[in-house]
Amino acid sequence: DGGITQSPKYLFRKEGQNVTLSCEQNLNHDAMYWYRQDPGQGLRLIYYSQIVNDFQKGDIAEGYSVSREKKESFPLTVTSAQKNPTAFYLCASSFQSGGDNEQFFGPGTRLTVL
Amino acid sequence: KNEVEQSPQNLTAQEGEFITINCSYSVGISALHWLQQHPGGGIVSLFMLSSGKKKHGRLIATINIQEKHSSLHITASHPRDSAVYICAVHNFNKFYFGSGTKLNVKP
Repeated sequence: DGGITQSPKYLFRKEGQNVTLSCEQNLNHDAMYWYRQDPGQGLRLIYYSQIVNDFQKGDIAEGYSVSREKKESFPLTVTSAQKNPTAFYLCASSFQSGGDNEQFFGPGTRLTVL
Repeated sequence: KNEVEQSPQNLTAQEGEFITINCSYSVGISALHWLQQHPGGGIVSLFMLSSGKKKHGRLIATINIQEKHSSLHITASHPRDSAVYICAVHNFNKFYFGSGTKLNVKP
């Protein structure tokens, strides 16, 4: 079955630690995205990648880093520089990056900083 | 300033009622998307439209480009429709998301 997987579903981190969230897709999509969702707010774009080996900052990239070494994978690292990392993180992909391309979302990772 | 505004924020309905969720946006768009987020957090795409109207089962989405407004209608609502409905618009290389409408359909 084609789709997007994110792991883990729940993640706990101590302050000062870096943590990496996994996102894998087998839809053969070129574009991949990372969003952050906080209660009562719309999704906010952290990073996006239109093609392998290329990625762009979104609206709230500070304290985060990504890589796109393979088409299928777009891991997100939450660094200790991110001041308020507790949130729900969603990965998405689309065939291409234009607005007329449907986005497919992963199940999300809920990160809690202790 | 939010580029996408949804109303209402919360909506409670009785099973069988006709439901309307509204979305207004302030930017030029290439497409508008309606998404559904279930309590577990996963999001699925319901509609993608740039003009007119689309229908899928009991769901209908309309868009008025001149008025920068879209509506999502649910006919004969059912408890399984309970979810958060999110409007998103695409402008150049970016999506803007509304904060969502939380729908609770009671049996």
